[in-house]
Amino acid sequence: DVKVTQSSRYLVKRTGEKVFLECVQDMDHENMFWYRQDPGLGLRLIYFSYDVKMKEKGDIPEGYSVSREKKERFSLILESASTNQTSMYLCASSWGLSGQTQYFGPGTRLLVL
Amino acid sequence: AQSVTQLDSHVSVSEGTPVLLRCNYSSSYSPSLFWYVQHPNKGLQLLLKYTSAATLVKGINGFEAEFKKSETSFHLTKPSAHMSDAAEYFCVVSDNNYNNNDMRFGAGTRLTVKP
Repeated sequence: DVKVTQSSRYLVKRTGEKVFLECVQDMDHENMFWYRQDPGLGLRLIYFSYDVKMKEKGDIPEGYSVSREKKERFSLILESASTNQTSMYLCASSWGLSGQTQYFGPGTRLLVL
Repeated sequence: AQSVTQLDSHVSVSEGTPVLLRCNYSSSYSPSLFWYVQHPNKGLQLLLKYTSAATLVKGINGFEAEFKKSETSFHLTKPSAHMSDAAEYFCVVSDNNYNNNDMRFGAGTRLTVKP
């Protein structure tokens, strides 16, 4: 079974702090994704990566950056957390970019005070 | 460009009655379509996937969905709801445009199951 793990289930941070969210997958997938989920808005893509050190902006990249130094690990970075980044963050991985099942981690619920 | 619309933001059924969650899509190509389920405070789990084989797709936990090209629909059904089906459900479309990340998620339908 594919397993995608996220470093934290719950995080509480203060405005202006630098926040790291880490995601690890164990299936040698080429592609990894970061989404945020807010009530009524569904999932919105922040960034994705199709290879080590490669990244592409998604629909809402502002205020976020990412890092993929190893194939199995994809990090989301909030350089200076703001209250409007309070959300559920979901990581996913897949074999291909299009038409392929994405496998999701359990999510990180981030509260920025 | 592809898009997906989940026609109901919230559906409420009684335990033992049928479930219908509606999804319409638009796609320029021959699409792949997915349904995912998300239980409270969990990640998304794949329920089923359509990839141009049989139009009636069977998934886990007794769910199934029918691809209807003429209606551009991919509705999710289950004959008899169980309390454990209470969750949020997402319909997803992909244009199978292999060089692009083209997965598009619907806004979700929250299913409530009453005893």
